[in-house]
Amino acid sequence: DQQVKQNSPSLSVQEGRISILNCDYTNSMFDYFLWYKKYPAEGPTFLISISSIKDKNEDGRFTVFLNKSAKHLSLHIVPSQPGDSAVYFCAAKRWDKIIFGKGTRLHILP
Amino acid sequence: KAGVTQTPRYLIKTRGQQVTLSCSPISGHRSVSWYQQTPGQGLQFLFEYFSETQRNKGNFPGRFSGRQFSNSRSEMNVSTLELGDSALYLCASSSSTGGTEAFFGQGTRLTVV
Repeated sequence: DQQVKQNSPSLSVQEGRISILNCDYTNSMFDYFLWYKKYPAEGPTFLISISSIKDKNEDGRFTVFLNKSAKHLSLHIVPSQPGDSAVYFCAAKRWDKIIFGKGTRLHILP
Repeated sequence: KAGVTQTPRYLIKTRGQQVTLSCSPISGHRSVSWYQQTPGQGLQFLFEYFSETQRNKGNFPGRFSGRQFSNSRSEMNVSTLELGDSALYLCASSSSTGGTEAFFGQGTRLTVV
């Protein structure tokens, strides 16, 4: 039972354009949603989060949008830079654990 | 502040052996979670320890076990290794159970041959 789904295994975006990574969830009990970024041979690093009571959170080039009625969240990266090439994990937190999606590999093209 | 430290970074074991991985959380963090990452499966939750007690457990067989010490350091043990156990094992620490964000170590790459 996959409670957090990232349906796109990979995404390629031109440098300077907007990258949009999507995530769907099934459990209404999650109270926070998080995005992590992972480079090869490194552990994931926290990027940005959003509380379930909000619909948008912005931090520099990164914005996360939450649509609770659709149980959907997205991460927007504007403008995309070469260093953004990595695997991005969507995660959802409930009181006792954080559940991760399978990740989306983002390629930023020159 | 030192980050999460996992040792060893790389391990090669043969089928049937057992292995112990170690994780030292960020100072002051009492919650330690373990995850398995395999290609195509993302990060799968193994278990979480808080104040030396296992608080949550994922859907892994009993060959996977862990413990946490009074200084919050945690160990994960896998017995009777199988080829499918080859993966990156990640440890994450947070300040409380299910904390808003978790801080990950660099992981231990386990290869079973």
